[in-house]
Amino acid sequence: EVQVVESGGGLVQPGQSLRLSCTASGFSFGDYAMSWVRQAPGKGLEWVGLIRSKGSGGTPEYAASVKDRFTISRDDSKSIAYLQMNSLKIDDTALYYCSRRDGDYWGQGTLVTVSS
Amino acid sequence: DIQMTQSPSSLSASVGDRVTITCRASQGIRNYLVWFQQKPGKAPKSLIYAASTLQSGVPSRFSGSASGTDFTLTISSLQPEDFATYYCQQYNSYPRTFGQGTKVEIK
Repeated sequence: EVQVVESGGGLVQPGQSLRLSCTASGFSFGDYAMSWVRQAPGKGLEWVGLIRSKGSGGTPEYAASVKDRFTISRDDSKSIAYLQMNSLKIDDTALYYCSRRDGDYWGQGTLVTVSS
Repeated sequence: DIQMTQSPSSLSASVGDRVTITCRASQGIRNYLVWFQQKPGKAPKSLIYAASTLQSGVPSRFSGSASGTDFTLTISSLQPEDFATYYCQQYNSYPRTFGQGTKVEIK
């Protein structure tokens, strides 16, 4: 059974950093791109970024709103994708979801709250 | 960036109704479009990918179609469990972009 579980969310102050983890199981993790999508309270879905599989170059792509502040990486030996978030802003407050590829399987999300 | 314009933003319908939701892309995305269903407090769930291919396990009352840059999600006979918010997303190019969402409510 395919499972995706996010962790690492919490309450941080503006300007601080946080690293989210996305732990996958039930499939050959290294063969798949992994995506991050966020949803601010009461709002729609916003694509954050994606990291390709190593076989497709292993490179990331980012939304303009997070580029140069967020970094996506992966550790295929552990079946984990990471979202390193630096210089956090109040507008980054959201439920952060991880999904396989472009959303065929999703985790339940981890909440990030940026507040002073 | 490709803009995805989804309509309507909300609709009220009764059980058994036929429901249609539309998504228009600002430029060609071939058929690289996915439809998601999201219920309150839950993660999105993929219903249809490649514009018209039903995800495994999704009821056949859901269908998708495409005509140029216009994409349609149809629920042929609305069921109580279908009341949710629906999103389209293009995966033709980066950045990926979502429609604004359509909330389907009970009439």
